[in-house]
Amino acid sequence: GAGVSQSPSNKVTEKGKDVELRCDPISGHTALYWYRQSLGQGLEFLIYFQGNSAPDKSGLPSDRFSAERTGGSVSTLTIQRTQQEDSAVYLCASHSGFETQYFGPGTRLLVL
Amino acid sequence: QKEVEQNSGPLSVPEGAIASLNCTYSDRGSQSFFWYRQYSGKSPELIMSIYSNGDKEDGRFTAQLNKASQYVSLLIRDSQPSDSATYLCAVPSGGGSNYKLTFGKGTLLTVNP
Repeated sequence: GAGVSQSPSNKVTEKGKDVELRCDPISGHTALYWYRQSLGQGLEFLIYFQGNSAPDKSGLPSDRFSAERTGGSVSTLTIQRTQQEDSAVYLCASHSGFETQYFGPGTRLLVL
Repeated sequence: QKEVEQNSGPLSVPEGAIASLNCTYSDRGSQSFFWYRQYSGKSPELIMSIYSNGDKEDGRFTAQLNKASQYVSLLIRDSQPSDSATYLCAVPSGGGSNYKLTFGKGTLLTVNP
């Protein structure tokens, strides 16, 4: 079946611009996570969505980062006024209520 | 701050040898432990999960858990060049149905033909 999909696969932007990253989880998966993977910090949790519950935003590094999940399916991660330190691979994962998370291919973001 | 520590490597083993990857965690209340494999330029892929003390075997992979020592390891028997990847130890830390993962920095394994 179809896995987690993310778009775009690569994004190059200029410092100060806003970017939107999209995640389409596996159909039927109620839980969705965003992680960030950078060379210096490894793989870090950003935000968690579960159904209609309030999201866990505890991993968002600054108020320039926000995310939403519409209709309990697709999620968008928005980074405003991008900085060079935002350059990383942004990974989305989903699961169905069991613990095994399935990761998407990621979006590689480069801020110049 | 819940932490997951891995021996940073890199670890290099000859083909056919046993590769041993280690991980320690700080939260004594953790109940689930995962090993992910990540090939260069790819996303993490779950290869093993373990919940109880002792060993869990799946093919050439064995996960070992010692909750008293807060230690989890992954053994790869008969290592193959295709096992060359970064191995990430991960522990859920959210509670309830929130399985947000705290990852170690990963150990880069190279299996030499």
